[in-house]
Amino acid sequence: DGGITQSPKYLFRKEGQNVTLSCEQNLNHDAMYWYRQDPGQGLRLIYYSQIVNDFQKGDIAEGYSVSREKKESFPLTVTSAQKNPTAFYLCASSRGLAGTAYEQYFGPGTRLTVT
Amino acid sequence: AQSVAQPEDQVNVAEGNPLTVKCTYSVSGNPYLFWYVQYPNRGLQFLLKYITGDNLVKGSYGFEAEFNKSQTSFHLKKPSALVSDSALYFCAVRDGSNYQLIWGAGTKLIIKP
Repeated sequence: DGGITQSPKYLFRKEGQNVTLSCEQNLNHDAMYWYRQDPGQGLRLIYYSQIVNDFQKGDIAEGYSVSREKKESFPLTVTSAQKNPTAFYLCASSRGLAGTAYEQYFGPGTRLTVT
Repeated sequence: AQSVAQPEDQVNVAEGNPLTVKCTYSVSGNPYLFWYVQYPNRGLQFLLKYITGDNLVKGSYGFEAEFNKSQTSFHLKKPSALVSDSALYFCAVRDGSNYQLIWGAGTKLIIKP
């Protein structure tokens, strides 16, 4: 079964704690992305990676960090510096960057609640 | 500035009637346009895309979209709506400067039996 998995589905943390969201894909895709989704808004890009050991900041990277040590994995850490971390987080992958016209495949998402 | 607009927050359609979800865009260069659907508490699923060629694009689940260059629009359509089509629909366009997707705010589609 090919696809993207995200874990956990729901995550609760106390303010001031860092938390890492998992994203794994077995589609052999080169590009991976992290988005944040808030009610009534479109998706906002946090980070993206075109290749292993390389990643770029998106529109709202402040307070987040990522790594891409393996092609299949692109974990996102939400740090205590992120002022408003409660949101729905979506991971996606594509054969290449969106500019090459490849569609993105999305994981099921992780809903993070910070209190 | 490059942008995508989905002018309707919500669209209500009776089952069996045709549906249209609107999308307009503003980009430099040739647009790459995408439609995705999201069911509650789930990730997004790709429906269709326009890159070049025929202005009418057919996609998954009986959906199609019409690219109109003069009106800078890419409206999503389906001839006969199903209750199961009820979901949140997103339009997206490639940003010509950095090749990332610019996303619309989404349109909630409600199909009533």
